[in-house]
Amino acid sequence: QKEVEQNSGPLSVPEGAIASLNCTYSDRGSQSFFWYRQYSGKSPELIMSIYSNGDKEDGRFTAQLNKASQYVSLLIRDSQPSDSATYLCASSGAGSYQLTFGKGTKLSVIP
Amino acid sequence: SAVISQKPSRDICQRGTSLTIQCQVDSQVTMMFWYRQQPGQSLTLIATANQGSEATYESGFVIDKFPISRPNLTFSTLTVSNMSPEDSSIYLCSVMGPGAETQYFGPGTRLLVL
Repeated sequence: QKEVEQNSGPLSVPEGAIASLNCTYSDRGSQSFFWYRQYSGKSPELIMSIYSNGDKEDGRFTAQLNKASQYVSLLIRDSQPSDSATYLCASSGAGSYQLTFGKGTKLSVIP
Repeated sequence: SAVISQKPSRDICQRGTSLTIQCQVDSQVTMMFWYRQQPGQSLTLIATANQGSEATYESGFVIDKFPISRPNLTFSTLTVSNMSPEDSSIYLCSVMGPGAETQYFGPGTRLLVL
């Protein structure tokens, strides 16, 4: 069974610090990986997608993928209180549109 | 990305009744999906809504309980039938974005079954 594992947190970081969110996946056939942010009472919002090993940067966000270790991470630089949310990691396999989600990590950025 | 709307945004229902949730997209999309997010949990895919044919259900979900319609490329409905308190969840539709690489979610329908 395909599984995506995340530390549920909560993860607390001070404002301005780097927040590091981690995710592992069980299916070696997974090809595409996504990070969604979900504010309380809202629907998930796509932040980053990554398909190749290495780093991908978008503003304050950097996604990292290591397929050999089956590991995905999201770094948030200069964390802001507005980044406080639950971050969901998701994966999909080759030729599949179906997403498998982790349970999410709750991030709190303390002013 | 496409603009997705859902109706109703929330509802409180009695057990044994059924609720139909609508998902409307402002542009034609090939792939539409329905997810459930139970309290404190992550998202679970219920089914893929196929235009012009029967939906494809994931393990643990059946058509009799969650009938789905997809009459065209911009609209789908999910019905939660014969509801019980265990059906209390957020129900979300999602669509594939341009390039069919990413999924975008609607605002969700918050359902409470008493």
